Amino acid sequence: EVQLVESGGGLVQPGGSLRLSCAASGFTFSDHYMDWVRQAPGKGLEWVGRIRKKANGYSTEYAASVKGRFSISRDDSKNSLDLQMNSLKIEDTAVYYCARSDSYGPFDSWGQGTLVTVSS
Amino acid sequence: DIQMTQSPSTLSASVGDTVTITCRASQSFNNRLAWYQQKPGNVPKLLIYRTGSLESGVPSRFSGSGSGTEFTLTISSLQPDDFATYYCQQYDSYSLTFGGGTKVEMK
Repeated sequence: EVQLVESGGGLVQPGGSLRLSCAASGFTFSDHYMDWVRQAPGKGLEWVGRIRKKANGYSTEYAASVKGRFSISRDDSKNSLDLQMNSLKIEDTAVYYCARSDSYGPFDSWGQGTLVTVSS
Repeated sequence: DIQMTQSPSTLSASVGDTVTITCRASQSFNNRLAWYQQKPGNVPKLLIYRTGSLESGVPSRFSGSGSGTEFTLTISSLQPDDFATYYCQQYDSYSLTFGGGTKVEMK
């Protein structure tokens, strides 16, 4: 069974940093692209960014709203995915989900999410 | 970026109704369009991918169609379990985007 478990969420002040992690199991992690998606309280889904697999050079893409502040990395040996968030803004407050995807594929598995609250 | 606009934002319907949700894109793309269902407090669930392909385990009352810039999700004979929020998503470009969501509520 595919499992994705996020961790690392919490309360952080504006301008601060936070690192989220996603632990994957039940599938060959290294074969898949991985994405981060967020959902602000009471709002819709917003794609945050993607990291491709080794065969694609572990290349990354980011939404314009987070580009230059957020960074995605992965460790295939540990089946883990990270999201480093710097210069956090109040509008980054959201539940952050990791999701499994593929080249030109939808998000077929999602984690339960971890809440990030940016507030002074 | 390809902008995705869903309509309506809210839809009131009764059990047994057929409902249709529309997703319009700001530019044409190659049918890499998915639909997700999300219930309050739950994780989004993939229903349809590549415009009209049903994800395994999803009831056949869900169907998707469209091309170019206009795509639709149809739920035939709405069931109590179908009251939820639905999102479209294009995954054709390097920058993926979701529609704003359509809440299907009980009339």
